[in-house]
Amino acid sequence: QVQLVESGGGVVQPGRSLRLSCAASGFTFSSYAMHWVRQAPGRGLEWVALISYDGSNIYYADSVKGRFTISRDNSKNTAFLQMNSLRPEDTAVYFCARSGRPYTVRGPFFDYWGQGTLVTVSS
Amino acid sequence: QSALTQPASVSGSPGQSITISCTGTSTDIGFYDFVSWYQQHPGKVPKLIIDDVRYRPSGVSNRFSGSKSGNTASLTISGLLAEDEADYYCSSYTTSSTLVFGTGTRVTVL
Repeated sequence: QVQLVESGGGVVQPGRSLRLSCAASGFTFSSYAMHWVRQAPGRGLEWVALISYDGSNIYYADSVKGRFTISRDNSKNTAFLQMNSLRPEDTAVYFCARSGRPYTVRGPFFDYWGQGTLVTVSS
Repeated sequence: QSALTQPASVSGSPGQSITISCTGTSTDIGFYDFVSWYQQHPGKVPKLIIDDVRYRPSGVSNRFSGSKSGNTASLTISGLLAEDEADYYCSSYTTSSTLVFGTGTRVTVL
């Protein structure tokens, strides 16, 4: 069965960096775009970033552009989110999610989600 | 990338039907038929219930239905059950090749 397992969350001071990982199993990872979505405590969902199945197309939300970098290693079935210059407003549970359509970044919907990893930015 | 607009809360009695609206712009909902809906129970991971405006993934109850008109998408839950009490989020693909979520709607079963 499809599984997505995030790791790398924790408490970090403002201005510091953190790298999240999303280990995938149960499907052909190299065929699907992957996304990061976050949810601040008690708040709604916010889309963060997407990377195409082969890593050739990458898009970010304006709120993280220039600070976050999404990447993937298809040989290890893993997606990553490098978060630099972290701010208190980046505090959230970060989910990785699979795009439901293979081989395209168009019209994404999220058919599988990980359990999320909590990132807390605080001094 | 402003969030899509949803009502903060909607309520209904068991057995009733409710509709949640999701309003965007001509660069997201109004441009593509790439609207999806998610159900999230407290402390749980979001679950896909509608994709491409109106299609239900396998295993999702046919009490959930989706539609779209212009810049507004809608999710209707018919035959409301206690288990439908949750938060619901719409999302849409945009002309910038990004994705935007709605503000979220809390559904309460009276």
